[in-house]
Amino acid sequence: DAGVTQSPTHLIKTRGQQVTLRCSPKSGHDTVSWYQQALGQGPQFIFQYYEEEERQRGNFPDRFSGHQFPNYSSELNVNALLLGDSALYLCASSPEGFGTEAFFGQGTRLTVV
Amino acid sequence: AQKVTQAQTEISVVEKEDVTLDCVYETRDTTYYLFWYKQPPSGELVFLIRRNSFDEQNEISGRYSWNFQKSTSSFNFTITASQVVDSAVYFCALSESSSNDYKLSFGAGTTVTVRA
Repeated sequence: DAGVTQSPTHLIKTRGQQVTLRCSPKSGHDTVSWYQQALGQGPQFIFQYYEEEERQRGNFPDRFSGHQFPNYSSELNVNALLLGDSALYLCASSPEGFGTEAFFGQGTRLTVV
Repeated sequence: AQKVTQAQTEISVVEKEDVTLDCVYETRDTTYYLFWYKQPPSGELVFLIRRNSFDEQNEISGRYSWNFQKSTSSFNFTITASQVVDSAVYFCALSESSSNDYKLSFGAGTTVTVRA
């Protein structure tokens, strides 16, 4: 049973560019959340998708957007990249509900130069 | 305001020593969930445990044990007889069940280094 898979694992982009990160959830999970983890810090919640809708959003600008597909996989898009967007982006999948166990992928390391 | 506080930034121990990681949380909800995750250098967050606010029983899983005390809003984690493979960053997280709040709020993490 494959766990949460993310692609790509590493990415280098230039300021002002746009990036798309992808996530396939663990089998049986229908909810996908995205987190940003800056170096030396804990993960920060970006947003969560359920039933192809953004159900909850953290304190991130509109440059951060996402999508969930009918097969529950998800994309995170970031427009107009800033140097400060450099971070590890983690995708987590979970069953529907409050406080359910979230399983994380290995992350995408984004470097903006 | 920070909802989860992990006061210890780094802990270094020699193999076979015990190590306890502190976690203090803040919430007004009566129903909430607490988690511990391990993040090895590879980057993936590995789920260790989930406890709900109504279950204050301590739990032991192999060399790992957890002490949940609602009276002090703490959910501490102990590694007994530490091994080099335990070296990682450990995160405590909180999930509150107030309406429309599904996110995990993480602490800043504690880096554990186990020396051979």
